[in-house]
Amino acid sequence: QVQLVQSGAEVKKPGASVKVSCKASGYTFTAYYIHWLRQAPGQGLEWMGWVNPHTGGTNYAQKFQGRVTMTRDTSVSTAYMELSRLTSDDTAVYYCARVLRWWFDPWGQGTLVTVSS
Amino acid sequence: EIVLTQSPGTLSLSPGERATLSCRASLSVDSSYLAWYQQKPGQPPRLLIYGASSRATGIPDRFSGSGSGTDFTLTISRLEPEDFAVYYCQQYGSSPLYTFGQGTKLEIK
Repeated sequence: QVQLVQSGAEVKKPGASVKVSCKASGYTFTAYYIHWLRQAPGQGLEWMGWVNPHTGGTNYAQKFQGRVTMTRDTSVSTAYMELSRLTSDDTAVYYCARVLRWWFDPWGQGTLVTVSS
Repeated sequence: EIVLTQSPGTLSLSPGERATLSCRASLSVDSSYLAWYQQKPGQPPRLLIYGASSRATGIPDRFSGSGSGTDFTLTISRLEPEDFAVYYCQQYGSSPLYTFGQGTKLEIK
């Protein structure tokens, strides 16, 4: 079955960077864009951007431009999201998700990133 | 930016009752671009409805979506215990490309 499995929880200090991975299985990795979203504790969902696994092309939400980098490694069917200059406002669960046309399905299980001094 | 406003914020109902959840957009949305998700505590969102009215694979037929323009509705015809969760609507459009409503929490009365 189609599955996205993310890396484990991270604790980072303010100003640091975090890199989260998302390993795809059950489908052709290069055929569908991978998107990254996040959800702060008790809050709603926020879209961050996408990476095209076929070309490596990216598109980031304006809010995160200059601070986020999305990449992929087709040899291991894995997408990555790196977020730099972390602050406490970046404490959230980060999700990867495959996009089918204009909706997200499925989602990874989520990766909790905690930013604390 | 298209803002999606969901109402009510919390809906308290009993199993077997009918639930009606609303999602209102600040600008008209192509119904092809409107989706609904269910999220339970500690889990990622799960796609329920896409294209405003099409059920995703494996979603029971008690879930239905409708609407167009700026007003969209998710209806659960007869609530089962496993349906109590948070529901989000989502649209695809202009920058940012994807936005979500703030969610409706469906709780057991």
